[in-house]
Amino acid sequence: AQKVTQAQTEISVVEKEDVTLDCVYETRDTTYYLFWYKQPPSGELVFLIRRNSFDEQNEISGRYSWNFQKSTSSFNFTITASQVVDSAVYFCALSLNNAGNMLTFGGGTRLMVKP
Amino acid sequence: GAGVSQSPSNKVTEKGKDVELRCDPISGHTALYWYRQSLGQGLEFLIYFQGNSAPDKSGLPSDRFSAERTGGSVSTLTIQRTQQEDSAVYLCASSLGSGGAVETQYFGPGTRLLVL
Repeated sequence: AQKVTQAQTEISVVEKEDVTLDCVYETRDTTYYLFWYKQPPSGELVFLIRRNSFDEQNEISGRYSWNFQKSTSSFNFTITASQVVDSAVYFCALSLNNAGNMLTFGGGTRLMVKP
Repeated sequence: GAGVSQSPSNKVTEKGKDVELRCDPISGHTALYWYRQSLGQGLEFLIYFQGNSAPDKSGLPSDRFSAERTGGSVSTLTIQRTQQEDSAVYLCASSLGSGGAVETQYFGPGTRLLVL
């Protein structure tokens, strides 16, 4: 069975600091997809990124970047120059190509960015 | 365009009562999912609908939970004889449902259920 672990339950940083949220996954499948979602205080899960298992290229989107390493089964998320609006719970999730598209979520990391 | 909508946003009920939660997916999306988010269990998959195919009910925690999808669009999640442990936020998501590779799911704001 697949599993996603986000070991950091809560992180607190001061605005403008860089912060990395860790995500480690487990699966025996060779084809899978990884996702990050943001859940602000309003509660709605906001899609951030999706990556398939055949594409190990790192991705940058503005202040956000993702580091996918199959060798360590990790898909870490870095926010550069954090801002107060980045405060939220961030979820890493895994989906298998042959498992009906259901998402297996990690436990989430609560990020608090203080001014 | 409009995102996934859910109603009600909050629901308080008494133990033993039945509740219905509604989800309107993004227009044109044929795949629909229900998840539950609770303090003890995190985010858990409940059920998945894809077009006219039989739903994947593998995540439903008990036979008190059921869901249907009418006309391939709106879905209703029903919890019968609610228990206090059913208290959670119920999230609905939808995706294009074009088949093939895994798709990105877009989530609604959720229904917060409190069973007294």
